[in-house]
Amino acid sequence: GESVGLHLPTLSVQEGDNSIINCAYSNSASDYFIWYKQESGKGPQFIIDIRSNMDKRQGQRVTVLLNKTVKHLSLQIAATQPGDSAVYFCAELSGTYKYIFGTGTRLKVLA
Amino acid sequence: GAVVSQHPSWVICKSGTSVKIECRSLDFQATTMFWYRQFPKQSLMLMATSNEGSKATYEQGVEKDKFLINHASLTLSTLTVTSAHPEDSSFYICSAGQNSNQPQHFGDGTRLSIL
Repeated sequence: GESVGLHLPTLSVQEGDNSIINCAYSNSASDYFIWYKQESGKGPQFIIDIRSNMDKRQGQRVTVLLNKTVKHLSLQIAATQPGDSAVYFCAELSGTYKYIFGTGTRLKVLA
Repeated sequence: GAVVSQHPSWVICKSGTSVKIECRSLDFQATTMFWYRQFPKQSLMLMATSNEGSKATYEQGVEKDKFLINHASLTLSTLTVTSAHPEDSSFYICSAGQNSNQPQHFGDGTRLSIL
């Protein structure tokens, strides 16, 4: 089913440190996962994706890890910058063309 | 890259007014688009799947007569909030993808405020 959060958990990270944002997904049959970044007043922006036949994928400063055994997804951001401050959502694609979004995590980068 | 444009970005209107929101895929064709609603500090809730040339598929609990969706072309879907009331105030976001193997790209949302 869909996940709707009542409030957003917050992760505060010092500028320059690495950030790790976690997500638990709901459907073991999901085969495609995406991380989105949403800044205030804007729509979600694609960051990185991963398919179920992989357990790790790297982009520029970002890495996504997938653990299918425990249905867990994580986003690692290296050398976090002030511009990384936003809300991050994971999304799973389950069979059909429909995405299910996680509850989201607010990342605050401290100067 | 794939670009999705949403218009208007902000609407303020009186209760009882119908409001139309447009979602356009600017550089690709989208047979399927999606409409989401987002409350403050919450995640995106899928309202409906907009299918080009056919009826939209609504999620459970979403009133199809309240939220009219039209997907008349491969680059345009519209969401009309009919007879809007204050409880319809929200952030509405659309998305589209080139195909099911590519990520969805989102518009920048429409902030709807009903007085």
